[in-house]
Amino acid sequence: DADVTQTPRNRITKTGKRIMLECSQTKGHDRMYWYRQDPGLGLRLIYYSFDVKDINKGEISDGYSVSRQAQAKFSLSLESAIPNQTALYFCATSDRTGLAGDADTQYFGPGTRLTVL
Amino acid sequence: KQEVTQIPAALSVPEGENLVLNCSFTDSAIYNLQWFRQDPGKGLTSLLLIQSSQREQTSGRLNASLDKSSGRSTLYIAASQPGDSATYLCAVGGGATNKLIFGTGTLLAVQP
Repeated sequence: DADVTQTPRNRITKTGKRIMLECSQTKGHDRMYWYRQDPGLGLRLIYYSFDVKDINKGEISDGYSVSRQAQAKFSLSLESAIPNQTALYFCATSDRTGLAGDADTQYFGPGTRLTVL
Repeated sequence: KQEVTQIPAALSVPEGENLVLNCSFTDSAIYNLQWFRQDPGKGLTSLLLIQSSQREQTSGRLNASLDKSSGRSTLYIAASQPGDSATYLCAVGGGATNKLIFGTGTLLAVQP
């Protein structure tokens, strides 16, 4: 079984709809991240969380919100979807950093392809 | 603001060739640098992570180097195989938060 899972894998919705993307991990990591990927722009950070009580905005948080329901679950919501939110969305996890070594490695889920019409 | 650039955007090589992918970054104050592989329809797979105090890391046919002072990293792939065909992304980590800034990737095609 995959360590980081995302649901749904594909979603088509209409402008103005509320959408929730879910991420679950079995790696036992404290840190979770949401990125979006657009052609020609690379991956950009939306939100990140260090634990259930610590949530932080990333580079492009406008139009998005998140919820960290448990250590293993981190959800991304689009309150009112718009077409320019059409993208590939990735969830990632990493262990607590501050230590040298591979604890900083981020592990990615398979992605959710979201299309907003 | 940190900017990460990967050149070339696309590369096609015959099987068996050794190749180098390039990554450059504008701010040398990085915490680490990671190389990822992305296959179509799949997520990113971490290949190598280099801490800022390190100069290189090796895993199998892959070798990644880091030169902080010049703001450059290279990923060397030895004896390339068709299965190496994918998009390769580099990302720099900027501090204890481990937030990553990504390049736009190099699309590699290894021809049999």
